[in-house]
Amino acid sequence: QVQLVQSGAELKKPGSSVKLSCKASGGTFKTYTFNWVRQAPGQGLEWMGGIIPLFGPPFYAQDFQDRVTITADDSTSAVYMELSSLTSDDTAVYYCATVDGYNREDPLRYWGQGTLVTVSS
Amino acid sequence: QSVLMQPPSVSGAPGQRITISCAGYSSNLGALYDVHWYQQLPGAAPKLLIFGNTNRPSGVPDRFSGSRSGTSASLAITGLQAEDAADYYCQAHDSLLKGYVFGTGTRVTVL
Repeated sequence: QVQLVQSGAELKKPGSSVKLSCKASGGTFKTYTFNWVRQAPGQGLEWMGGIIPLFGPPFYAQDFQDRVTITADDSTSAVYMELSSLTSDDTAVYYCATVDGYNREDPLRYWGQGTLVTVSS
Repeated sequence: QSVLMQPPSVSGAPGQRITISCAGYSSNLGALYDVHWYQQLPGAAPKLLIFGNTNRPSGVPDRFSGSRSGTSASLAITGLQAEDAADYYCQAHDSLLKGYVFGTGTRVTVL
C-alpha cells in the first residue's frame, strides 16, 4: 500500500508559478498512475492530469493543458506538478492521488494529505 | 468542470436509509465506464468508498452500497450514523474529455 506525502503550503503572487511535490513510499513507484486533483475553497473536486512513471508522457485535462506540467522522478519516487500564470482562481487545495496499475479508468485509491496554494497579491 | 450531476444535499435521521444520485452523459456513464464514489470528511482528503460501481474497499462498512443503471448511478447509506456526515462525490472516466470527471458533490447531514 503506497503512502503519499505532499509538500507544504504555498503563498504565491498572481502571474507566478508554483511547483508541488508528491513523494510515494511503501509501494513500487512504477506500478502506479499518479494524478493531481484540486479543490477550491467550498467547491468540488477537479481533475488536472496525471502521469504513469513507467511509460510517460503526462496527460492533462483540457482546462489545464496550456499551463500545467506534471513530471516524475524515479530516483526519488516523487511526482511534481507545476502550474503557471496563477490567478486567484487557482487558490485551492491540491491533491496527489494514485491508481493501482495503469488503467486510467480505475479509481483513485490512495490520496496525499493535500497542499494549500493561496494566490494573492 | 464537473459533468456528473449530484443533488447538493441529502439529510436523514440516524438509522435511516438515504440515497445519492449521480447523473452522467453518453461519454461517461452512458459509455459504461465504471463509477467510483468518494467520501470526504471535513478538513480531510477524499477517501475511496465504492469502486467499480458496486465494490467496497477493505474496511468500508457494508452500510454503503453502490448501483448503476444506464447514464446514472446511486450511492445508498443504510443505518445512517453521525459519522457519515460528509461530502460524497461520484467519479468516472470520460471519453470526450479523455480523463476523469467528478460529480458536483453531495453534502450529507445527519439530523
